Amino acid sequence: SQTIHQWPATLVQPVGSPLSLECTVEGTSNPNLYWYRQAAGRGLQLLFYSVGIGQISSEVPQNLSASRPQDRQFILSSKKLLLSDSGFYLCAYQGRREKLFFGSGTQLSVL
Amino acid sequence: GESVGLHLPTLSVQEGDNSIINCAYSNSASDYFIWYKQESGKGPQFIIDIRSNMDKRQGQRVTVLLNKTVKHLSLQIAATQPGDSAVYFCAENIRGGFKTIFGAGTRLFVKA
Repeated sequence: SQTIHQWPATLVQPVGSPLSLECTVEGTSNPNLYWYRQAAGRGLQLLFYSVGIGQISSEVPQNLSASRPQDRQFILSSKKLLLSDSGFYLCAYQGRREKLFFGSGTQLSVL
Repeated sequence: GESVGLHLPTLSVQEGDNSIINCAYSNSASDYFIWYKQESGKGPQFIIDIRSNMDKRQGQRVTVLLNKTVKHLSLQIAATQPGDSAVYFCAENIRGGFKTIFGAGTRLFVKA
């Protein structure tokens, strides 16, 4: 069966510091992978998606970047965090019938 | 389209009553629709889906209705329970498409 792992669960970072969030998927090959962000009490915003190694599509121009160095690994990064980068970050993979399966999320607070 | 900047609307129902959560979608080309449930501090989980060639689909205690004419989707929860308290998102996708776009979400409170 497929599983998705996302870490860390919680992160507090100062403004201007770098960021690296990692997501890995097991039990499936060549999955479509996604990063979403959710501000407190609001909806989900698609940030990036990837259909294969090294292939990244950006949905929203911003302070973040994504990389896919391996088939089942998806990384969200920033060189210098802004206050507005705070939020709940969710990684997901696309299963059958276009369903999304989400990780447990990372709550990022930029102070 | 995405409504990520809006505060979530809220629906409050009595335990045992039926709940109806509504959603308007934006893309006429979307042909696959999904409802997700998100509990506090967790990622969304799939509840039920429907293709555009259907107007109703039933699951266990949940029913999804699709009205393509007015681009409207609804989720009906029968005999709502305290465990149903969560945020519910509708999402749309184009068949075989890579992008799933989420609606604004509705926070459901179930009163005991």
